[in-house]
Amino acid sequence: SQTIHQWPATLVQPVGSPLSLECTVEGTSNPNLYWYRQAAGRGLQLLFYSVGIGQISSEVPQNLSASRPQDRQFILSSKKLLLSDSGFYLCAWSIQDNEQFFGPGTRLTVL
Amino acid sequence: KQEVTQIPAALSVPEGENLVLNCSFTDSAIYNLQWFRQDPGKGLTSLLLIQSSQREQTSGRLNASLDKSSGRSTLYIAASQPGDSATYLCAVKVGRGSTLGRLYFGRGTQLTVWP
Repeated sequence: SQTIHQWPATLVQPVGSPLSLECTVEGTSNPNLYWYRQAAGRGLQLLFYSVGIGQISSEVPQNLSASRPQDRQFILSSKKLLLSDSGFYLCAWSIQDNEQFFGPGTRLTVL
Repeated sequence: KQEVTQIPAALSVPEGENLVLNCSFTDSAIYNLQWFRQDPGKGLTSLLLIQSSQREQTSGRLNASLDKSSGRSTLYIAASQPGDSATYLCAVKVGRGSTLGRLYFGRGTQLTVWP
């Protein structure tokens, strides 16, 4: 069966510090991968998606970037965090355009 | 741009009631529609997926319907239980354009079922 992991589960970082969140998927090959952010009082916002290694599409201009160094690994990064980057970050996978499955999320607080 | 609206935003009911959660979307050219459950501080759990060619899907006490032409979906929960308390999210996947595969989410219905 397929599983999706995210770490860390929670993170508290000062403004201006770097960020690296990791997502890995097990039990499937060549998944589509997605990063979402869920901010307080707002809905889920798609940040990035990837259909293959090294292929990243950005949905909104922002302070973040994403990379996919391996087939089942998706990384969300920032060089300098802003207060507005606080939120709940969710990684998801799907096979082509079918059902999406989400990871447990990372709670990021920027102080 | 696809917009997804969920009504009501919050719902509080006694155990045993049958419930209907509503979801509407502005662009009927969808690929599929997915209902999720989110517990506080947790990720999303997929409940039901309805393809654009389908009218409903059932899983246990859950039944989701889709009326693509009117841009509506409902999630029916039978015989609600306290364990059903969570936020329920509706999401549609667009079926055209460069963002094929993107899910558009509603803001959810926060459900509380009390004993």
